[in-house]
Amino acid sequence: NAGVMQNPRHLVRRRGQEARLRCSPMKGHSHVYWYRQLPEEGLKFMVYLQKENIIDESGMPKERFSAEFPKEGPSILRIQQVVRGDSAAYFCASSPPGQGRSPLHFGNGTRLTVT
Amino acid sequence: EDQVTQSPEALRLQEGESSSLNCSYTVSGLRGLFWYRQDPGKGPEFLFTLYSAGEEKEKERLKATLTKKESFLHITAPKPEDSATYLCAVQAGGSEKLVFGKGTKLTVNP
Repeated sequence: NAGVMQNPRHLVRRRGQEARLRCSPMKGHSHVYWYRQLPEEGLKFMVYLQKENIIDESGMPKERFSAEFPKEGPSILRIQQVVRGDSAAYFCASSPPGQGRSPLHFGNGTRLTVT
Repeated sequence: EDQVTQSPEALRLQEGESSSLNCSYTVSGLRGLFWYRQDPGKGPEFLFTLYSAGEEKEKERLKATLTKKESFLHITAPKPEDSATYLCAVQAGGSEKLVFGKGTKLTVNP
């Protein structure tokens, strides 16, 4: 897990504030995935990005959530106007380019608490 | 819709007591089935990928097998350090995303 870096590890926000979660993929990886894990639930896919492109956002809520993976710098998952239901662990994973069957390598997550 | 069901939800074993975890799945064209281990407060750690029915893979005390409808994770003579939540996920053909089960929480008592 040490290869994929996520920060912060813990984030507390009040209702209505914005949350920004960062993910730096493993060295050499250009594919980034975001997953959300609610208590007692499995990991749920949110979005899949490559550098400067959103490839699949079928798991993203329609409002308040956005993601980016710029040419330089980490991938960002942004949640605007957070609500209590957004409290969860958010995991980022990465994989190398050009290898369709490569397993995903996960970071240790950001635990978001909305008060 | 692709689905993954893991059983049991929780399993308690004595050290040395072998057992199996089950992962049943429905998917439109299996591209791969993945097993991960997750420790509390950590992200999932990759264990195995299986691609086709009949395939088996081993790593230390763990052995994963795959049929057309399910996968098993066999744990032989487990140790307390094997205690974790074990996650199963499938990837459908033409998709990059993984669909996860809710996991089996394994506790191995010394």
